[in-house]
Amino acid sequence: EIVLTQSPGTLSLSPGERATLSCRASQSVSSIYLAWYQQKPGQAPRLLIYGASNRATGIPDRFSGSGSGTDFTLTISRLEPEDFTVYYCQQYGSSTLTFGQGTRLEIK
Amino acid sequence: EVQLLESGGGLVQPGGSLRLSCAASGFMFSTYGMNWVRQAPGKGLEWVSGLSGSDDITYYADSVKGRFTISRDNSKNTLYLQMNSLRAEDTAVYYCAKTGVDGLFYFDYWGQGTLVTVSS
Repeated sequence: EIVLTQSPGTLSLSPGERATLSCRASQSVSSIYLAWYQQKPGQAPRLLIYGASNRATGIPDRFSGSGSGTDFTLTISRLEPEDFTVYYCQQYGSSTLTFGQGTRLEIK
Repeated sequence: EVQLLESGGGLVQPGGSLRLSCAASGFMFSTYGMNWVRQAPGKGLEWVSGLSGSDDITYYADSVKGRFTISRDNSKNTLYLQMNSLRAEDTAVYYCAKTGVDGLFYFDYWGQGTLVTVSS
């Protein structure tokens, strides 16, 4: 099973700042098999990024993904108030799909 | 518009069974893989099971293998999860989720979830 470790656990920033969220895999993941989700309280997760760097339909261009091998990054270029919530990475390169434990983005 | 609507959650005793359903609309259900993902109260996401679109190959997390069975009825556009031998640690909101348009197992649409509580 591929273990995904997200860091930091909590990130404290202000609106307008740039956020960088990390996802590290226990073994190499092809970049086409890495996704990012946003989850707000009481809601289902929403797909942000698939294939490591492809924005899902309707996702603002302030969200971007990058990385390869074992290290992947979600960047939010200019934080909006609605971006302060929890983010998960997911790999789908093996028959056992796994999620990271999540990064909480909070207002500083 | 893609819609996924789960049902069948509730309170069940340890060792009991429950069947979840997910009614799908707005896309060609039979051609897409479908999945169940759960979230225990206050915890992160855990993939539970998946079913491929083209050939109905099934996949399970080790934590549910041998206890849960995923299936689909394409005539009813409905996905199921039969859960047997339930344990307290199966308590969670269960989401059904559709695989991506390219057939890869990321999840581009999610239902609103149904809560399963395993307790005596």
